Amino acid sequence: GENVEQHPSTLSVQEGDSAVIKCTYSDSASNYFPWYKQELGKRPQLIIDIRSNVGEKKDQRIAVTLNKTAKHFSLHITETQPEDSAVYFCAARTNNAGNMLTFGGGTRLMVKP
Amino acid sequence: NAGVMQNPRHLVRRRGQEARLRCSPMKGHSHVYWYRQLPEEGLKFMVYLQKENIIDESGMPKERFSAEFPKEGPSILRIQQVVRGDSAAYFCASSPWFQGGEKLFFGSGTQLSVL
Repeated sequence: GENVEQHPSTLSVQEGDSAVIKCTYSDSASNYFPWYKQELGKRPQLIIDIRSNVGEKKDQRIAVTLNKTAKHFSLHITETQPEDSAVYFCAARTNNAGNMLTFGGGTRLMVKP
Repeated sequence: NAGVMQNPRHLVRRRGQEARLRCSPMKGHSHVYWYRQLPEEGLKFMVYLQKENIIDESGMPKERFSAEFPKEGPSILRIQQVVRGDSAAYFCASSPWFQGGEKLFFGSGTQLSVL
């Protein structure tokens, strides 16, 4: 089955700096890669996603890049703000698994004011 | 359009009791997924259901755990004879039935504490 690795597990940045979180996946058949943000005690919320036929997607301060050959994808947050502090999860979906997602272990992002 | 609804929000059980967690998917969604999250860890897939049908239960322990999604009513995750190791947050997610509906929307979760 699919295996998703996520790095780093914790990331501390100064407000206004950029943050980058990286994930690798094992199954070359995976074709959908969402990112979720989870604040303490709350539900995971979808913030951006990318399909395998696209190399990059951007939404305001958030962007995701995908390298299918290397089987890795990354989340980029620019001009970080304290409210960006949360745990971020990457995930991958394999075509033959319905809509089931396999998640990475998460990255705790701390943005210092 | 109400989101994915889970209840109870918090559930306390003593060892050996049964826990029943409920999930109502978003309106129009016919796929339900249950995930378990231990403290400081990621989301681990447990089971994927459609109405009256278990599609994939590869992530669910073979004993004590069961799930259903009846024709009418919410999806239920049932844990019999709970043990302390079952303490975790259990999240339900739903998605539409049509192809391309990959987006999963999560509920607020049920925090299960086993004393």
